[in-house]
Amino acid sequence: QKEVEQNSGPLSVPEGAIASLNCTYSDRGSQSFFWYRQYSGKSPELIMSIYSNGDKEDGRFTAQLNKASQYVSLLIRDSQPSDSATYLCAPRHGGSYIPTFGRGTSLIVHP
Amino acid sequence: GAVVSQHPSWVICKSGTSVKIECRSLDFQATTMFWYRQFPKQSLMLMATSNEGSKATYEQGVEKDKFLINHASLTLSTLTVTSAHPEDSSFYICSARGDSPDTQYFGPGTRLTVL
Repeated sequence: QKEVEQNSGPLSVPEGAIASLNCTYSDRGSQSFFWYRQYSGKSPELIMSIYSNGDKEDGRFTAQLNKASQYVSLLIRDSQPSDSATYLCAPRHGGSYIPTFGRGTSLIVHP
Repeated sequence: GAVVSQHPSWVICKSGTSVKIECRSLDFQATTMFWYRQFPKQSLMLMATSNEGSKATYEQGVEKDKFLINHASLTLSTLTVTSAHPEDSSFYICSARGDSPDTQYFGPGTRLTVL
């Protein structure tokens, strides 16, 4: 059974700090990994995708992937109050084009 | 980036009535669209995959006779919740697949409240 585990939070960090969001997945066939941000009452928006082991940086966001440990994380540097949202981890199995969504981690960045 | 719209953005209806939700890809053709449902504090749950010109593929546990999906064109898919009940109240979100299998554009969602 494909499962995605995320700490529901809330994760509370002060403005300017680094927020670290973690995700573990059970499907070893997962090949693509996506992080979505979802504001309350809104639909998800894609933040980053990562396909290979290691780090991928995009502005203030860094995704980290470790396929051996079945672990993917998202780091947000210089966190801003506008980053307060729920972050959804979504791995995609290689044989499917539909990602599996985790429940998400609620992030609160306080001034 | 690609834009996906949904209409209506919110709807309130009486129990027993049917509600139609439209999902449109505005600037690209989407051969595949997806319908999700999200209850409060829960993750997105895929309901069905909709392919243009063919019958939708429903996920296990989703009643195809209750949630009617029509994907009549490359830019429009509709979800009709038939004989809606209060337990159907939820946030319904569609997404459209782009050229790449890893490209998925979400609509803004439709909040359904059944009284």
